[in-house]
Amino acid sequence: GAGVSQSPSNKVTEKGKDVELRCDPISGHTALYWYRQSLGQGLEFLIYFQGNSAPDKSGLPSDRFSAERTGGSVSTLTIQRTQQEDSAVYLCASSLVSSGRADTQYFGPGTRLTVL
Amino acid sequence: AQSVTQLDSQVPVFEEAPVELRCNYSSSVSVYLFWYVQYPNQGLQLLLKYLSGSTLVKGINGFEAEFNKSQTSFHLRKPSVHISDTAEYFCAVSSYIPTFGRGTSLIVHP
Repeated sequence: GAGVSQSPSNKVTEKGKDVELRCDPISGHTALYWYRQSLGQGLEFLIYFQGNSAPDKSGLPSDRFSAERTGGSVSTLTIQRTQQEDSAVYLCASSLVSSGRADTQYFGPGTRLTVL
Repeated sequence: AQSVTQLDSQVPVFEEAPVELRCNYSSSVSVYLFWYVQYPNQGLQLLLKYLSGSTLVKGINGFEAEFNKSQTSFHLRKPSVHISDTAEYFCAVSSYIPTFGRGTSLIVHP
């Protein structure tokens, strides 16, 4: 079956504009995760969805960041009033959950966001 | 709370030499352990994982890792590397949320 897809693959925006990033997870995966990867850095956890609910939003860097998931499937990550420090690759992953722990993460190709 | 430490940010090695990438973790709960690989200009993919059972796990491309509970380590090894193994390697631990290390860049020289 299809893997995790993300769109757009690249996004260039001006400082202060809003952007919306989309993630389409693997069908049947109840857990969905957003991460941010900056040059030379590891993966920074942003938010986790179990079904449509987000029990852990602790990683969102500021209130300019928000995310939603509908129908237990597609998720969107919205960044309002973008700043230059928001420039990064935004990764989405989905997984199954067993025994209360996340199993293998299947990653999308990422969205490279550049804020000018 | 959980954390992952990858002790080496960069590991240069010659082709056909053995390599070990180190990973230590801490967690107050039982976790799963993973190694992921990111080849240049590609997405992350699973290399291997430890869920339970045998502490020595084998993954793709000849890699293996050993879970050591007493030392809270999950080091990755390969007896003979190839140029194509040049990539970024991430160790991760997972309760309901995965935590990733900062990554180790493996650079294989001819």
